[in-house]
Amino acid sequence: KAGVTQTPRYLIKTRGQQVTLSCSPISGHRSVSWYQQTPGQGLQFLFEYFSETQRNKGNFPGRFSGRQFSNSRSEMNVSTLELGDSALYLCASSLKTGEGNTEAFFGQGTRLTVV
Amino acid sequence: AQKITQTQPGMFVQEKEAVTLDCTYDTSDPSYGLFWYKQPSSGEMIFLIYQGSYDQQNATEGRYSLNFQKARKSANLVISASQLGDSAMYFCAMREGSFGNEKLTFGTGTRLTIIP
Repeated sequence: KAGVTQTPRYLIKTRGQQVTLSCSPISGHRSVSWYQQTPGQGLQFLFEYFSETQRNKGNFPGRFSGRQFSNSRSEMNVSTLELGDSALYLCASSLKTGEGNTEAFFGQGTRLTVV
Repeated sequence: AQKITQTQPGMFVQEKEAVTLDCTYDTSDPSYGLFWYKQPSSGEMIFLIYQGSYDQQNATEGRYSLNFQKARKSANLVISASQLGDSAMYFCAMREGSFGNEKLTFGTGTRLTIIP
């Protein structure tokens, strides 16, 4: 059974550009969440999608957006990149939701460097 | 107040010894889940163990066990017979509520180094 797949693994972008990251959840998982990890701020929740709808959003500016497709794959977009957006972006998928707490599995992450 | 507190920034443990990584949490929600993840230098977050707030028994997964003390709001990870491959960052995380919330709140992590 394939795990959570994130592409690309590494990205280098220039300030002001935009970037799109992709996450394919474990087959059958319908919830996808995104996190940003930086040395200074640690792991921070960006947003969560379930059945193509954003259900939860963290405290990030509107430059950070996302979407989920009917096959549960999700994309995250960051526009007008800033140096501070350099981070490891992690995606997590969960099987069940609304039925109590369940396990969440992460992908390998996309390491974004903004220069 | 911090929702997840990990007070040990770094730990050094001799190979084959047991190790306990501390985690305390803060929530007023009666339904929550507690997670431990391992993050090697490659960056991937590896799920280790999960404990639900209503679970009667402490969770165990192979060499990993979770010492869940609900009244103390403590969820320490115990790794038995440590191995060199256990060297990594370890994160405790919490999910609050039972419906429609998949958000995990993470602690600052503990860097575990296993010494041969």
